[in-house]
Amino acid sequence: AQSVAQPEDQVNVAEGNPLTVKCTYSVSGNPYLFWYVQYPNRGLQFLLKYITGDNLVKGSYGFEAEFNKSQTSFHLKKPSALVSDSALYFCAVRESSGYSTLTFGKGTMLLVSP
Amino acid sequence: NAGVTQTPKFQVLKTGQSMTLQCAQDMNHEYMSWYRQDPGMGLRLIHYSVGAGITDQGEVPNGYNVSRSTTEDFPLRLLSAAPSQTSVYFCASSYSRVSYEQYFGPGTRLTVT
Repeated sequence: AQSVAQPEDQVNVAEGNPLTVKCTYSVSGNPYLFWYVQYPNRGLQFLLKYITGDNLVKGSYGFEAEFNKSQTSFHLKKPSALVSDSALYFCAVRESSGYSTLTFGKGTMLLVSP
Repeated sequence: NAGVTQTPKFQVLKTGQSMTLQCAQDMNHEYMSWYRQDPGMGLRLIHYSVGAGITDQGEVPNGYNVSRSTTEDFPLRLLSAAPSQTSVYFCASSYSRVSYEQYFGPGTRLTVT
């Protein structure tokens, strides 16, 4: 069975500092990996995805993520945090082959202080 | 494009009542899905559909029914509401189930008393 772990319920960072939101995954084959963001009282919005190719993926709003196969990780990063980045972030995974569906992590709340 | 729309935005039901949550998309997406979001549990898949006439169960299907008679619509039916079904429900769609990102609706907040 596939699974996603987001080990931090909350990440606090000061505006202007770099941020990292951690994600590790488990699948039996090769993974497709996604990051989504949820602002208060809204649906989830797609940020970026890793399907194949370059391990460093760039996405919306200046976010990027690095796929590390040996560590089974897909951490979300941003060089300089903004207060407006404060939101709930979800990592998701599915196996690249077969008929599996998308599995989401429990989410990490990012709080950026002015 | 309106994207993915959901109605209603809020609903309060009494235990045992039934209702249908509506979901529609105008992007001609083949894949549609229903999730529930509960605090500390992330999103859990209820049912999904890979095309009109084809549906399948997700992780937490009990107490819910779905059908997909058209590409655009994917309603979720609660047969006999229970307090455990108090949650926020999201509908999502994507071009296919494989490598494409999903587009989410704004959600329906359901309370069962």
